[in-house]
Amino acid sequence: EAGVTQFPSHSVIEKGQTVTLRCDPISGHDNLYWYRRVMGKEIKFLLHFVKESKQDESGMPNNRFLAERTGGTYSTLKVQPAELEDSGVYFCASSQISRGRNTEAFFGQGTRLTVV
Amino acid sequence: GQSLEQPSEVTAVEGAIVQINCTYQTSGFYGLSWYQQHDGGAPTFLSYNGLDGLEETGRFSSFLSRSDSYGYLLLQELQMKDSASYFCALHSGYSTLTFGKGTMLLVSP
Repeated sequence: EAGVTQFPSHSVIEKGQTVTLRCDPISGHDNLYWYRRVMGKEIKFLLHFVKESKQDESGMPNNRFLAERTGGTYSTLKVQPAELEDSGVYFCASSQISRGRNTEAFFGQGTRLTVV
Repeated sequence: GQSLEQPSEVTAVEGAIVQINCTYQTSGFYGLSWYQQHDGGAPTFLSYNGLDGLEETGRFSSFLSRSDSYGYLLLQELQMKDSASYFCALHSGYSTLTFGKGTMLLVSP
């Protein structure tokens, strides 16, 4: 079974440009999360999809970030326009719906975004 | 909101036992998980505590005390490959995971 896959693995863009990150969760996982880790610091929550609906987007830093999950399968995270502080590793994770029980999240390898 | 606190760094030697603590503040949660992340890699699941007490998985054990808002990860027989960042994470709401800032464990020979 394929794990969570993210594309691209690395992206270097100039300030002001647009970048779109893609995440393909594990098949059958309704939960999809986006996280960001900046320069070895904490893993910060960005948002959480349940199927195609945004369950929680409280971690999205500002309106330059737009996440979609059309059809409840893969998700995209667009940054437009990118700023220097957006640099970091963007992780996607997926898990099965399981209220009240352990819901192990499976992470992708991340997209390392560098804004110059 | 929720918040979790962990030490930023812990050092230990091979073969030793190390405990990484996690204190949290939350209005409600289902359980506490631990994840390991090697530099540049994907975080991977280690352990989950839904109930108070100790859960053992090989060399790793995790503990939760809801009354003390506290948990810990215990690593025994440390190996060099255990050098990594360790994150505690709260499970709440609709399967939402909130991570702590992470503890970098450095294992020396």
